[in-house]
Amino acid sequence: QQPVQSPQAVILREGEDAVINCSSSKALYSVHWYRQKHGEAPVFLMILLKGGEQKGHEKISASFNEKKQQSSLYLTASQLSYSGTYFCGTETGNQFYFGTGTSLTVIP
Amino acid sequence: EAGVAQSPRYKIIEKRQSVAFWCNPISGHATLYWYQQILGQGPKLLIQFQNNGVVDDSQLPKDRFSAERLKGVDSTLKIQPAKLEDSAVYLCASSLEPGVHEPQHFGDGTRLSIL
Repeated sequence: QQPVQSPQAVILREGEDAVINCSSSKALYSVHWYRQKHGEAPVFLMILLKGGEQKGHEKISASFNEKKQQSSLYLTASQLSYSGTYFCGTETGNQFYFGTGTSLTVIP
Repeated sequence: EAGVAQSPRYKIIEKRQSVAFWCNPISGHATLYWYQQILGQGPKLLIQFQNNGVVDDSQLPKDRFSAERLKGVDSTLKIQPAKLEDSAVYLCASSLEPGVHEPQHFGDGTRLSIL
């Protein structure tokens, strides 16, 4: 029931773009995205709800394909501060699961 | 606004001992979550409270873990007795309204080491 993320890890140069994918085997009501830096707590980025509503930061974009039970997070013009591990979180009924994680490293 | 407060920040105990963690959510937040995060993995939800009722505790090892949220505000998570595999960071999070359609705000966590 834990959603699977891809890729597991990615290294970018500043200014490059990246896409992180999240896939679930169950029907989803919502998808959350969080970023966690080493030794710190996860920080909220975005929620995508069934029906198309989104809540989150203006500079972050993501998509939610309800039929395919998938979500993608789009990071454009990456900055050094984007480095960290990205987790999706999926809501299925009353249960919530974080994904397997994607480690993103941005280098100068 | 003040964030989610957790204590202690670090705890080292021997296996078979007991330990308790405390969490004070953001004022007014109805929903409170406890997560276990093992090194290199994503957070695993242990229990979710809505006010002082349990919404989901399907992944809580109930033979050794217990949690309560008296009066719908702060919460404690207890492990008794602890096992080596319980070594992890225990994160508390809260959200404003019931349900999971709201951002979760996390505390700094308690890092538990079992010897």
